[in-house]
Amino acid sequence: EVQLVESGGGLVQPGGSLRLSCAASGFTFSSYSMNWVRQAPGKGLEWVSYISSSSSTIYYADSVKGRFTISRDNAKNSLYLQMNSLRAEDTAVYYCARDTGITGVDSWGQGTLVTVSS
Amino acid sequence: DVVMTQSPLSLPVTLGQPASISCRSSQSLVHSDGNTYLNWFQQRPGQSPRRLIYKVSKRDSGVPDRFSGSGSGTDFTLKISRVEAEDVGVYYCMQGTHWPLLTFGGGTKVEIK
Repeated sequence: EVQLVESGGGLVQPGGSLRLSCAASGFTFSSYSMNWVRQAPGKGLEWVSYISSSSSTIYYADSVKGRFTISRDNAKNSLYLQMNSLRAEDTAVYYCARDTGITGVDSWGQGTLVTVSS
Repeated sequence: DVVMTQSPLSLPVTLGQPASISCRSSQSLVHSDGNTYLNWFQQRPGQSPRRLIYKVSKRDSGVPDRFSGSGSGTDFTLKISRVEAEDVGVYYCMQGTHWPLLTFGGGTKVEIK
């Protein structure tokens, strides 16, 4: 069974930094591209970032470009999101999601809440 | 960027009755390979999203057959033939044709009357 477990969320002040992690199990992590998707409180889903299986290809949404960095460690079956220069509008539940190529994403973690507030 | 627009925003339904959700894209979702990559997700209250449908009409494993997807080009529909209490939640469409830049619709909240 595919399992994705996010961690690292919390309360951070505007301008601060946070690093999210996603631990994967139940599938061959190194064979799959991965995504981060976020959901602001009471709002819809917003794709944040994509990383290919070998880390050779990375994409970001315009809203986070230059502030967030996605990475992965295939030896540790882990996905990361380094978030810098955080803003109030970055407040959201952050999900990691397994990429299935052009068919999109299939499995999601339970999410981790990031709150940016003074 | 492709914009996905869902309607209605809210859908009150009587148990056992059908429900229909519309999703429109600002650009055609027909890929150069001839396929159309449109997904539907269900998000129950307090839970993560779960994929129901991919490639317009293919149900994921374990998804009840009361859920069906249809459409082409820029217009798509998710139908629930007979709504059950466990179907309450928010439903999102998502395009994959322009992968890896994924875009979601704004969501449709299904609730019981």
